[in-house]
Amino acid sequence: SQQGEEDPQALSIQEGENATMNCSYKTSINNLQWYRQNSGRGLVHLILIRSNEREKHSGRLRVTLDTSKKSSSLLITASRAADTASYFCATADSSYKLIFGSGTRLLVRP
Amino acid sequence: EAQVTQNPRYLITVTGKKLTVTCSQNMNHEYMSWYRQDPGLGLRQIYYSMNVEVTDKGDVPEGYKVSRKEKRNFPLILESPSPNQTSLYFCASTEAGDTQYFGPGTRLTVL
Repeated sequence: SQQGEEDPQALSIQEGENATMNCSYKTSINNLQWYRQNSGRGLVHLILIRSNEREKHSGRLRVTLDTSKKSSSLLITASRAADTASYFCATADSSYKLIFGSGTRLLVRP
Repeated sequence: EAQVTQNPRYLITVTGKKLTVTCSQNMNHEYMSWYRQDPGLGLRQIYYSMNVEVTDKGDVPEGYKVSRKEKRNFPLILESPSPNQTSLYFCASTEAGDTQYFGPGTRLTVL
């Protein structure tokens, strides 16, 4: 079952611009995680935000979490061509199970 | 280096020929799981294990088996593979529900 739904499904931006991806989910969560995947390769963990946190930063990444709206956003600032990838949000409940959304495909044009 | 390894990375097989995809982690994690990734469907959990000798079904367990005899290993077994099991498979491990570490993936094609 899919819990997180990403929006938009695809995003194309110019290098240097900011990219914002949104994720909505349906049930209570323990934490929410964002992953990056390059063209059918492995998943790289980007950032984890816990249910009692509202915002978190890591380098050029900024994640927000609104548990009242059951939504999260991932902002990538000053994007680079190397950021081109698919981005997935995944929610985890107390059983550690991750439920993934269908992802946002980001294309950063040089 | 902390990592999750999977083997093989690529496999082409025929319907009905039993196969095993191995998964091993070196982080002493208790929780391990298997996911499959299909276009348009994202990643879906197949099976998970909370500890040695403790396994349970995920969202799409039909056609798969797992075992957890040792903490570090969590093999995925397809007793009689079918074409609808053609997919990209990922093994993952975590401790205490924190960051999940994923293996590099196994691309399986069943003819």
